[in-house]
Amino acid sequence: SQQGEEDPQALSIQEGENATMNCSYKTSINNLQWYRQNSGRGLVHLILIRSNEREKHSGRLRVTLDTSKKSSSLLITASRAADTASYFCATVLRMDSSYKLIFGSGTRLLVRP
Amino acid sequence: DTGVSQDPRHKITKRGQNVTFRCDPISEHNRLYWYRQTLGQGPEFLTYFQNEAQLEKSRLLSDRFSAERPKGSFSTLEIQRTEQGDSAMYLCASSLIGQGFGDEQFFGPGTRLTVL
Repeated sequence: SQQGEEDPQALSIQEGENATMNCSYKTSINNLQWYRQNSGRGLVHLILIRSNEREKHSGRLRVTLDTSKKSSSLLITASRAADTASYFCATVLRMDSSYKLIFGSGTRLLVRP
Repeated sequence: DTGVSQDPRHKITKRGQNVTFRCDPISEHNRLYWYRQTLGQGPEFLTYFQNEAQLEKSRLLSDRFSAERPKGSFSTLEIQRTEQGDSAMYLCASSLIGQGFGDEQFFGPGTRLTVL
């Protein structure tokens, strides 16, 4: 079963507006990652936040992590039509010799031009 | 293109047939993962290789599924006696040991399987 749950499931905004997506998870994590998936394309890694970090920025992306609430949020500022995609959070669980990504069900973002 | 590639991109088959998918990871990556993604859901972990050794398998991987990575480079995922419930996108990812905490995985475009 999947660990993370994104909220909302779908989001429609106007170009230029900010988009906020939330992710909740169940178990302790090593870190949390956000991925983007465009229609017909593979998953693209956006940003990683470690379990001992609270906030991280990358360009127009801002990620927060609250381990006490087992939740994370992804903020996309000044959205563009090209940001239209599905966004997934993935928690990282340690296997014996590597890491396993456990994905949520995703938020489908539509940015209207 | 030096990314992860998968072949075929689409496969339509009849129930009961066997299918095989191929994944070519980024050349220097020694870790390779298979995931399955159904419509409206996030990817679910299936199995993982470090070099040629298959180190972990999900309970999702029934006896009809088998994965190999014979020379530690490309990998194949075979599904025998396909069922309609096997219809999904099969994603391959690779990563490199030692790239640090968290193991960023690079995904291929996926193989979309439709079982009629």
